[in-house]
Amino acid sequence: GAGVSQTPSNKVTEKGKYVELRCDPISGHTALYWYRQSLGQGPEFLIYFQGTGAADDSGLPNDRFFAVRPEGSVSTLKIQRTERGDSAVYLCASSSTGQVGTEAFFGQGTRLTVV
Amino acid sequence: ELKVEQNPLFLSMQEGKNYTIYCNYSTTSDRLYWYRQDPGKSLESLFVLLSNGAVKQEGRLMASLDTKARLSTLHITAAVHDLSATYFCAVDRRAGGTSYGKLTFGQGTILTVHP
Repeated sequence: GAGVSQTPSNKVTEKGKYVELRCDPISGHTALYWYRQSLGQGPEFLIYFQGTGAADDSGLPNDRFFAVRPEGSVSTLKIQRTERGDSAVYLCASSSTGQVGTEAFFGQGTRLTVV
Repeated sequence: ELKVEQNPLFLSMQEGKNYTIYCNYSTTSDRLYWYRQDPGKSLESLFVLLSNGAVKQEGRLMASLDTKARLSTLHITAAVHDLSATYFCAVDRRAGGTSYGKLTFGQGTILTVHP
């Protein structure tokens, strides 16, 4: 596709359940980022992939959060034992190299609501 | 810890007027980005500023960067209703001298342009 694609666009889940959020980056982009945006705030960094490996996962809030990118393209953000505080919009972005000056293009986001 | 602060957080202006949004950041960086976000939408890249003194203009928007003052400005000239949106600045966080597009965002400025 032409842009970064995220699915689902909306997800409502019960507290304690497991969820997976998918990101399909722009074809050929090696760098992929996950951010979380709470209502009224700017996005906060979660994790960065360069190719298949997580080069920086310092933004993951705790061990309930995990992300993979097994073939260096599609990435999945996994959240175990969801809590109400996990409710937010999860944004994925990709860039061609991750190097200086290369723009990151953002997807539409997945709005996660934990009830 | 890198902090990015925008002001004002809310800006209500009349069509035809000029105004400036300010973005201050707390640590050395020479890579700053401006994004626009419409309600319920993702982030649209507006400007990439990569050096001290950089100035970029697109239509009624002009962005500048002063790395010594750790300040970027987004100037709006002769505002029109279509500019109503939330505007974010974001600074590229360095880690050990390298940079890979990991962004720290400001809180956002909600701009409303009235007829």
